Amino acid sequence: DQQVKQNSPSLSVQEGRISILNCDYTNSMFDYFLWYKKYPAEGPTFLISISSIKDKNEDGRFTVFLNKSAKHLSLHIVPSQPGDSAVYFCAATFFYFGNEKLTFGTGTRLTIIP
Amino acid sequence: DGGITQSPKYLFRKEGQNVTLSCEQNLNHDAMYWYRQDPGQGLRLIYYSQIVNDFQKGDIAEGYSVSREKKESFPLTVTSAQKNPTAFYLCASSIDLRGRGSLEAFFGQGTRLTVV
Repeated sequence: DQQVKQNSPSLSVQEGRISILNCDYTNSMFDYFLWYKKYPAEGPTFLISISSIKDKNEDGRFTVFLNKSAKHLSLHIVPSQPGDSAVYFCAATFFYFGNEKLTFGTGTRLTIIP
Repeated sequence: DGGITQSPKYLFRKEGQNVTLSCEQNLNHDAMYWYRQDPGQGLRLIYYSQIVNDFQKGDIAEGYSVSREKKESFPLTVTSAQKNPTAFYLCASSIDLRGRGSLEAFFGQGTRLTVV
């Protein structure tokens, strides 16, 4: 039972344009969400997070949007750069319930085309 | 400097042998995790621990065992009962910064285990 889903296994975007990565979740108890970027044979690195009390969080080129009613979050990267080519994972947890178990999606491979 | 260290980066073992993967963190994080990554499967949770001397099974715990005797260490043993042990294993740790309304979670660089 996949509680966190990333339905697009891959995405290609022109350099300089906006990249939008999507993530859906099924458990309404999730209240904190994180995005990670991963290069091959390396550990994921943290990008940005958002708690359920917000609907938007911004950090430089990265913005995460949370739509709780739709159980959907998205990561926007603007402008996209060649170094953004990687696999992106979203993760969810029960932060306010005191359980830090992180559940990850299956990832989306982003390719930035020069 | 602080971080999570997984060792070794590459590990080869013969089929039927148990093998232990090391994970150490000096971030003073309470929670630690083990994930497995297979092609096209994302990150699947094997075990996690929220406090010393306590741990819970994740989604794919069969064939694995862990211990959490110290806050800094969360070793994973891949036993001979694990049917498909060849994979990329990732350790992570996190801290609940409830006072700041955030959770920080960081990963090690991973260990690629190949069983021949």
